Amino acid sequence: EDQVTQSPEALRLQEGESSSLNCSYTVSGLRGLFWYRQDPGKGPEFLFTLYSAGEEKEKERLKATLTKKESFLHITAPKPEDSATYLCAVQSDSNYQLIWGAGTKLIIKP
Amino acid sequence: GAVVSQHPSRVICKSGTSVKIECRSLDFQATTMFWYRQFPKQSLMLMATSNEGSKATYEQGVEKDKFLINHASLTLSTLTVTSAHPEDSSFYICSALKGPNQPQHFGDGTRLSIL
Repeated sequence: EDQVTQSPEALRLQEGESSSLNCSYTVSGLRGLFWYRQDPGKGPEFLFTLYSAGEEKEKERLKATLTKKESFLHITAPKPEDSATYLCAVQSDSNYQLIWGAGTKLIIKP
Repeated sequence: GAVVSQHPSRVICKSGTSVKIECRSLDFQATTMFWYRQFPKQSLMLMATSNEGSKATYEQGVEKDKFLINHASLTLSTLTVTSAHPEDSSFYICSALKGPNQPQHFGDGTRLSIL
């Protein structure tokens, strides 16, 4: 069964304290892995798509990496405005639906 | 800027009312749109896949007569919650697919509160 598990559920960091969020997945055939950011009361905002193991993408303080079993979202020197819930989703090669993780709530304290 | 517009952002109405939510792709044609429901502190739950010009595909457990979906054009899908009751209160979010191997782009959601 296709499945996505994110850890930790919640992460509190001091401003400037770097860390990583994990997204473990099992899927019959991976079409793509997606990272989104969701602020309270808003829809998810697209961050990255990763298609194959070894691929990396960066945007400002965020860097996403992918292996055959998991993806990491590394956040370097975070700022309070990086506080949000980060969602990971995978798309199998059988259809366009996304299989979602439960998300990691990231809180950056000034 | 936003590529998907969802309206209204918030609805408060009495039990028994039908509520229509619109989802528009702003600068692209979306042959496929998705409707999600999200409960507090939980992830997105797919309700249905909306395909332009054909009937929507509903996920297991989602009542198609309760949640009517119309995808009448390449830029607009609507979700109508018919005869809404308090248990239908939730955060509803739509997304649109720009194309194969493209990410879904989401609207800002609709907070539905049924009194």
